[in-house]
Amino acid sequence: DTEVTQTPKHLVMGMTNKKSLKCEQHMGHRAMYWYKQKAKKPPELMFVYSYEKLSINESVPSRFSPECPNSSLLNLHLHALQPEDSALYLCASSLETASYEQYFGPGTRLTVT
Amino acid sequence: AQSVTQLGSHVSVSEGALVLLRCNYSSSVPPYLFWYVQYPNQGLQLLLKYTTGATLVKGINGFEAEFKKSETSFHLTKPSAHMSDAAEYFCAVSGSSNTGKLIFGQGTTLQVKP
Repeated sequence: DTEVTQTPKHLVMGMTNKKSLKCEQHMGHRAMYWYKQKAKKPPELMFVYSYEKLSINESVPSRFSPECPNSSLLNLHLHALQPEDSALYLCASSLETASYEQYFGPGTRLTVT
Repeated sequence: AQSVTQLGSHVSVSEGALVLLRCNYSSSVPPYLFWYVQYPNQGLQLLLKYTTGATLVKGINGFEAEFKKSETSFHLTKPSAHMSDAAEYFCAVSGSSNTGKLIFGQGTTLQVKP
């Protein structure tokens, strides 16, 4: 099973709302990632978790807050977002961070109004 | 620093024709290379990967790619295009520091004409 699941599929939120994105994998992978993708662009790395610890934060604004409660679950908490944050948010996982292929989830389409 | 260049942001082929999507990379260490496909409103799906060993790599859906170190290339090919191959294709190289960072190319949109 090489499946990464993400919920919700779509999310519309106002600039004062607080919401969370959820990502789950049951492949025994110890590295998990959040990416942001704008239309017709490659994914941009936001965060990397390795063995449930945050290992990379690509200078992401604090209105995005990641959390890794356990080795199978990754959350992205959203607060006070801006319209320019509207994008497809992708979660991925890999066996470890060391050059292994990443498996991507279907994404959450976020619209900030 | 590592980088990936995909030549041609848009490629159009006829159904049944050869598909060739070009990818060149720059890396100071032996690279791990990947091709991903993204269908509209979906996540990225791994097509194939090169790590070590055989330089001709076969992937899913009839795609293959050849690692050519002398040309720093990893072009993706498929002998006969299907309508269902129409999608966005990304070439990526694994970052040299084992951090998990993937360096993506800008992507190539493949159009398949009937």
